[in-house]
Amino acid sequence: SQQGEEDPQALSIQEGENATMNCSYKTSINNLQWYRQNSGRGLVHLILIRSNEREKHSGRLRVTLDTSKKSSSLLITASRAADTASYFCATDRSNDYKLSFGAGTTVTVRA
Amino acid sequence: DTGVSQNPRHKITKRGQNVTFRCDPISEHNRLYWYRQTLGQGPEFLTYFQNEAQLEKSRLLSDRFSAERPKGSFSTLEIQRTEQGDSAMYLCASSLGGRGGNEQFFGPGTRLTVL
Repeated sequence: SQQGEEDPQALSIQEGENATMNCSYKTSINNLQWYRQNSGRGLVHLILIRSNEREKHSGRLRVTLDTSKKSSSLLITASRAADTASYFCATDRSNDYKLSFGAGTTVTVRA
Repeated sequence: DTGVSQNPRHKITKRGQNVTFRCDPISEHNRLYWYRQTLGQGPEFLTYFQNEAQLEKSRLLSDRFSAERPKGSFSTLEIQRTEQGDSAMYLCASSLGGRGGNEQFFGPGTRLTVL
């Protein structure tokens, strides 16, 4: 079953703008990860944030985690056409390594 | 390229036929996972191995599905008597295990079409 839920389902922005998407989940987690998937391809790991962390950065990516609200956000700054993809959040639980994914946010970056 | 490879990349088969997919994980990773993804959805967990031991299977994995990981290296996923509902992308992932953060690295997937 899908544990996470991304919002919005789709997002269209101009190149250079920032893109923000949110993920909510239902049960307590150990880690939360964000992945990118280009059309019809495999998933690329972007960033992992542990349940005891609140914010993490990697290049143009910023992830926040609020365990009290069971939610996370992914911010992509200064978007590029190459950022066009679907973005998924995935959670795992303590001593349970399988990932539970949401349905994803489809991001389109217009040139 | 994440270092996880899957073969074949595409498979078209007729209903009722058996199919087998292969996954080669990153060599030092001891955990290997199979997921299934249908159009417009996120991946759903099927099963996972720690070394050669299959530790968990999803209820999605009916008795027509079997997975193996002999010698804790590559893994195979076999679907017997395929049905049209089996059409999906089958994704393999691997992770290092231990005290790592459970980052899972995915292969390119095998897209199965059952006619």
